[in-house]
Amino acid sequence: EADIYQTPRYLVIGTGKKITLECSQTMGHDKMYWYQQDPGMELHLIHYSYGVNSTEKGDLSSESTVSRIRTEHFPLTLESARPSHTSQYLCASKSDLSTDTQYFGPGTRLTVL
Amino acid sequence: GQQLNQSPQSMFIQEGEDVSMNCTSSSIFNTWLWYKQEPGEGPVLLIALYKAGELTSNGRLTAQFGITRKDSFLNISASIPSDVGIYFCAGTAPRGGSEKLVFGKGTKLTVNP
Repeated sequence: EADIYQTPRYLVIGTGKKITLECSQTMGHDKMYWYQQDPGMELHLIHYSYGVNSTEKGDLSSESTVSRIRTEHFPLTLESARPSHTSQYLCASKSDLSTDTQYFGPGTRLTVL
Repeated sequence: GQQLNQSPQSMFIQEGEDVSMNCTSSSIFNTWLWYKQEPGEGPVLLIALYKAGELTSNGRLTAQFGITRKDSFLNISASIPSDVGIYFCAGTAPRGGSEKLVFGKGTKLTVNP
């Protein structure tokens, strides 16, 4: 099982602020993912990365951006937060050597006022 | 894109009862995964299925990969209060490659003591 961490766990901010959600994993997984999830709803893929310097947009359009400078770190940034960005953001990772099993972090609950 | 139809949407049961939920798709999937998510947390992997017809158990949980590769079920026997949560099925489809998971909308389970 992967050790994958997300900070902060909860964030309440005002409209227009720039924020970065942190995600890190200690298993050396090549593939990492960001999902957006509204309460009680399904997960939607917004970004993924196959390795360092690789980032792709997911199935759900998002105004956020990501970077992958180090294998273990996959931060997500919102340049100017809006109330429509209020949601839970989940990070996941998967070993390149394994099957399709993704392991999730605990999530960041973002509220934009 | 690929879609997973998960049912039932919610279940209210008494402690000790058995539970069954399932996922279906109009297209074939290569992998079926079952996750459990508790409030404020990320999904936790319960069972992973990789071959058509595969039947796998994890304690009181049993899941099967349908022989047609278009469905999967999860059974929970002798439910207990800590089984409460949202159960998600997820899978990878050939067309989407092995990197991206498609999620069902979840089954919310409530267990009355």
